Amino acid sequence: GEDVEQSLFLSVREGDSSVINCTYTDSSSTYLYWYKQEPGAGLQLLTYIFSNMDMKQDQRLTVLLNKKDKHLSLRIADTQTGDSAIYFCAESLDDKIIFGKGTRLHILP
Amino acid sequence: GAGVSQSPSNKVTEKGKDVELRCDPISGHTALYWYRQSLGQGLEFLIYFQGNSAPDKSGLPSDRFSAERTGGSVSTLTIQRTQQEDSAVYLCASKTGSDNSPLHFGNGTRLTVT
Repeated sequence: GEDVEQSLFLSVREGDSSVINCTYTDSSSTYLYWYKQEPGAGLQLLTYIFSNMDMKQDQRLTVLLNKKDKHLSLRIADTQTGDSAIYFCAESLDDKIIFGKGTRLHILP
Repeated sequence: GAGVSQSPSNKVTEKGKDVELRCDPISGHTALYWYRQSLGQGLEFLIYFQGNSAPDKSGLPSDRFSAERTGGSVSTLTIQRTQQEDSAVYLCASKTGSDNSPLHFGNGTRLTVT
């Protein structure tokens, strides 16, 4: 089946790390993605990871993939107010890309 | 153009009317997707076009929804006899044919059915 699950809300203090978690159901997914959506805008690709990788780091972003547990996480170091957005996890299945419901990240001063 | 363009950005229509939503993908992108984003429902896959292949229509919620892609470029999503539950943001995205190429999204059309 095709299902991507993520928690709907996360609050983090400015300067702390944010960790957004995601689980997916289809082990044949080839790529897993994190997208960011700011108010009134479309989705913007943040980063992606190939399914044979465990970790990918890109500046403040770290993606961890546990393929056995079908668990994906996105860590944002030194969270800033500009990171406030909805973050979507997505998996690719053949040519179809399936999204989770999104996690709204709220930054506390 | 530089990105995926969708029009109109906002559409208010009366229940029972038909609407057409347009998407101009990035030039050269062979794949085009339509998604629907409703409050609290995340992104719901609707339909996918790849080159000249038959589209994957498996996400269309009812036979009131249809889409076409002319000349492998511009796509139109048509909703007939709109219902209030059709109110949502309709997002279009395009990508190249490579497996790991990302989806590039437009800013969406916000449809409100009164």
